[in-house]
Amino acid sequence: EAQVTQNPRYLITVTGKKLTVTCSQNMNHEYMSWYRQDPGLGLRQIYYSMNVEVTDKGDVPEGYKVSRKEKRNFPLILESPSPNQTSLYFCASTSRGYSNTEAFFGQGTRLTVV
Amino acid sequence: AQSVTQLGSHVSVSEGALVLLRCNYSSSVPPYLFWYVQYPNQGLQLLLKYTSAATLVKGINGFEAEFKKSETSFHLTKPSAHMSDAAEYFCAVSAPGLDSNYQLIWGAGTKLIIKP
Repeated sequence: EAQVTQNPRYLITVTGKKLTVTCSQNMNHEYMSWYRQDPGLGLRQIYYSMNVEVTDKGDVPEGYKVSRKEKRNFPLILESPSPNQTSLYFCASTSRGYSNTEAFFGQGTRLTVV
Repeated sequence: AQSVTQLGSHVSVSEGALVLLRCNYSSSVPPYLFWYVQYPNQGLQLLLKYTSAATLVKGINGFEAEFKKSETSFHLTKPSAHMSDAAEYFCAVSAPGLDSNYQLIWGAGTKLIIKP
């Protein structure tokens, strides 16, 4: 079954404690991205990757890092989380950049930073 | 710059009534347009997409949307609402960014509430 898997689904952490949210896809997609979803703001792109070792900033990259060492994995790293990063996070993948192709989304990670 | 506006953060309809969710976009080039649905505690999934073929697009679960270039709109409709349609719906436009790579621009979402 084609899927994007994120872990964990829920996470509560304290300010400043480094964390990683994992994302893995089994569709051999080149393009992966991370979004955060906040009420009334829709989805905002954090980072994206067009292929292995190729990453770039999205609209709201401050406070986040990513890496793409393998095609299937695209972890999101918060080195020093702050309360304003409390949000719902989604990983997505697509076969060749968005254009007219469908994006597949993970189930989401609800992060609370206290 | 591309943008997407969804009119109404919440839309409430009775079961069996017409569903109409509005989406207007701005784009300097012919866009690709999408509707995604997010059920509670789930990720987003594609409902339908417009990719410059037919202007009336049919999607899953009885939804359809019509691309109207003159109105820069891509409204989502369903003739008869069902309780299972309760979800949040997102309109998105795909267009090339400054670096010529396509990016998805999202509307703020509309939460559809179905009254029994």
